[in-house]
Amino acid sequence: KAGVTQTPRYLIKTRGQQVTLSCSPISGHRSVSWYQQTPGQGLQFLFEYFSETQRNKGNFPGRFSGRQFSNSRSEMNVSTLELGDSALYLCASSLVAENTGELFFGEGSRLTVL
Amino acid sequence: GQQLNQSPQSMFIQEGEDVSMNCTSSSIFNTWLWYKQDPGEGPVLLIALYKAGELTSNGRLTAQFGITRKDSFLNISASIPSDVGIYFCAGHAGANSKLTFGKGITLSVRP
Repeated sequence: KAGVTQTPRYLIKTRGQQVTLSCSPISGHRSVSWYQQTPGQGLQFLFEYFSETQRNKGNFPGRFSGRQFSNSRSEMNVSTLELGDSALYLCASSLVAENTGELFFGEGSRLTVL
Repeated sequence: GQQLNQSPQSMFIQEGEDVSMNCTSSSIFNTWLWYKQDPGEGPVLLIALYKAGELTSNGRLTAQFGITRKDSFLNISASIPSDVGIYFCAGHAGANSKLTFGKGITLSVRP
């Protein structure tokens, strides 16, 4: 069974650009969550989607957005990139409809903003 | 907002030693979880705890859900080199709530 797949794995952007990251959950998993990981702040919750609906949202500015498609694949977008957006962006999927915290993570997309 | 406290930021132990990590919160959680992250990979779930006072083992790992529901600990016995990585505690408050992570403890094991 394939795990959570995130693309691209690495990318470099410049300030002011935008970026779209993709996540394919484990087959059959309908809940997808996104986290930002930085050395100083650890894992910060961005948002969670279930059945194409945003179910929960973290404390990030509106430049950070996401969506989920009918096949449960998810994308997140960051517009007007800032240097502080450099981070590892992790996607995680969950099997159960009621999120219990048992998440399966992808390897992440490492974004560098210059 | 909810915050989980993990300290110290780094721990250094000798191979074969036991190590214990603590996680505390000012908020109550219904579920406590421990994840491990190896370099270049995403976190992997080690242990999940669902009931206050629960003590659960997974091989050399033992974790407990504190009776106040505001803390948890993870113990690793007889450490080996592949135990190196970042250990995160996480708390979940219930349906439709987000999973909150601690900042993690980086464990180094000296052979």
